[in-house]
Amino acid sequence: QSALTQPASVSGSPGQSITISCTGTSNDVGGYHYVSWYQQHPGKAPKLLIFDVLNRAAGISNRFSGSKSGNTASLTISGLQAEDEADYYCSSFTGSSTFVFGPGTTVTLL
Amino acid sequence: EVQLVQSGAEVKKPGESLKISCKASGYIFTDNWIAWVRQMPGIGLEWMGIVYPGDSETKYSPSFQGQVSISADKSINTAYLQWASVKASDSAIYYCARRNYGSGSWNFFDYWGQGTLLTVSS
Repeated sequence: QSALTQPASVSGSPGQSITISCTGTSNDVGGYHYVSWYQQHPGKAPKLLIFDVLNRAAGISNRFSGSKSGNTASLTISGLQAEDEADYYCSSFTGSSTFVFGPGTTVTLL
Repeated sequence: EVQLVQSGAEVKKPGESLKISCKASGYIFTDNWIAWVRQMPGIGLEWMGIVYPGDSETKYSPSFQGQVSISADKSINTAYLQWASVKASDSAIYYCARRNYGSGSWNFFDYWGQGTLLTVSS
């Protein structure tokens, strides 16, 4: 069982904005400024989107943004597009070179 | 160009041993930790553990401690994930991923291998 909690699914219409939450504890999300987000399309390897809570990886659209408040981090996708349909995973540093992933959120376009 | 190229799909019987690999290129192998991540069918990502090729220091998730071994051979820029005795429940896709180094930030995974599918069946 994951130490982080994410909604199983989030849906939105094209052009809308959606937000995916990632809730942990003071031992992970709340304790460090080291939350990252990954996108995974079916049959593909995960791809880094956001690192250190709010920094976009190279080449990532500014439609993707990250934030954090207390023990909860969030990924917002604005201007939802068909290509954004995928699974999204948060990850947090947990100290001493160890990490944890969230269970993942499936984004679906309506 | 940074690349992590993993070994091919494996089909094993329960009880057999196995070692899968992740060959790195395009950067200084000993600068970055390499992690292993499991993805069971239809399930999410699970962080298994990590190795620092510079000195072979390893860290494991409590869920995988004692179940697998992670190592690295810096002479051939390759990291490994090993089982002494596989079980049916080990059937999954396994990814290696590079922990970023430099620019004052290193707590995320910037490059991923293509994945290795393990099927364990009698």
